This record gives sequence, C-alpha cells and structure tokens, in this order.
Amino acid sequence: GNSVTQMEGPVTLSEEAFLTINCTYTATGYPSLFWYVQYPGEGLQLLLKATKADDKGSNKGFEATYRKETTSFHLEKGSVQVSDSAVYFCALPIRVTGRRALTFGSGTRLQVQP
Amino acid sequence: EAGVAQSPRYKIIEKRQSVAFWCNPISGHATLYWYQQILGQGPKLLIQFQNNGVVDDSQLPKDRFSAERLKGVDSTLKIQPAKLEDSAVYLCASSPRDLSTDTQYFGPGTRLTVL
Repeated sequence: GNSVTQMEGPVTLSEEAFLTINCTYTATGYPSLFWYVQYPGEGLQLLLKATKADDKGSNKGFEATYRKETTSFHLEKGSVQVSDSAVYFCALPIRVTGRRALTFGSGTRLQVQP
Repeated sequence: EAGVAQSPRYKIIEKRQSVAFWCNPISGHATLYWYQQILGQGPKLLIQFQNNGVVDDSQLPKDRFSAERLKGVDSTLKIQPAKLEDSAVYLCASSPRDLSTDTQYFGPGTRLTVL
C-alpha cells in the first residue's frame, strides 16, 4: 500500500520565520496528496491538497507542490505566526483504487515563539 | 453546516471494561471512517463504512472491537474488553463520497485512557 514519511519534530521557530516541513511518499500511480493540521484538543482539519503532479495546493499562506520526480510534497510558509503552532500531518489515500481512507505520516509539531 | 460530532470527548476506564463511542457525520455524507490515533503518531484507519455497509475493516481488532452504522447515518465504535494499549484518541471522519480527491472532515475525537 501507499505510505508517507515526514520529518520529525518538534520544529521551533520565531514569529515571521520561514517554515519547511518535509514529506515524501511511496505510492502506486499518482494519488492526491494532503496536508492536515491538528490544533491542541481538536480534530484534524484539511489545510491544503493537490490532486495531480505539479499541482500547488495553498491555504492560509501555506503552500505545497506535488513533485513526482522527487516523490515529495513539502509544506512551506514564508512567515509563521504564533497561531500556526500545531501538529501537521502529510497524508495520501491508502490505495489508488478501492478504499479511499487515508494513511498519515507521524506528524510534525510546530512551535512558534513570539 | 454542522461538523462531525463525537461523544464523549473523554473517557477513563479500567482494563477489561467495555466502552462505546458515538459519531454523527456531516449530513448527507455517505462515507464514514473511524481512526485510532496513539499519542505521537498519525491516525490509523480502523474501519470504513459506505452508507451502512462495511468497506474495509481489515485493521480492526475484531476480537475486541466492533462498529456499526445501522441506518447509514451515525455510528458506534465499541471496545470490549479494553486493554492498556487501547489508550488513544478515536477520531471519526466523514466524506461526501469515496474518491481519492475527497476531503475528509474530522470530529474532535474521543480521548480514551485505559488504566
């Protein structure tokens, strides 16, 4: 089945710093790729997604580009805020066909200091 | 629109006891998922329903876990008897259909502690 690997955390940054969280995947074909965010005490929320190679997903200043050459979907933000402190998960469907449940990376905790 | 609802939010039980979790998905969403999230890990699928039928329960420990979605709307996940390693957050999610591009909408989760 498909799988995803993301960088371990925690990542600690000062406000307005540049953020990169690495995510690489192993998959059959070209599945959609997702970034979810989990704020303390809450469930996961979709942050952004890309449905095909070379697509760029973006939301709330975050961006990620689907790169099939490097099988990567790194999350970036040019200037982080304290409110971005959360755990970020990279995900993709378990299989290309059939069941569409997601498989998630282990998560990367981001701590932004004022 | 209302999001995915789950209850209870927190539950503490002793090992060998039983526990049940409830989930009400977003209205009209055909697909419902239960995930288990152990501390420090990403969520892992337990079971997936399409309407009131089971699509995938290959990762569900069927000797102790059971789930149902009788009318194709809300769902219940049960553990009987619980073990220490079942301590986790149980997340319910729903999506309109069952496509790879579908966004899954997650509830707040139920945090289970087994003592």
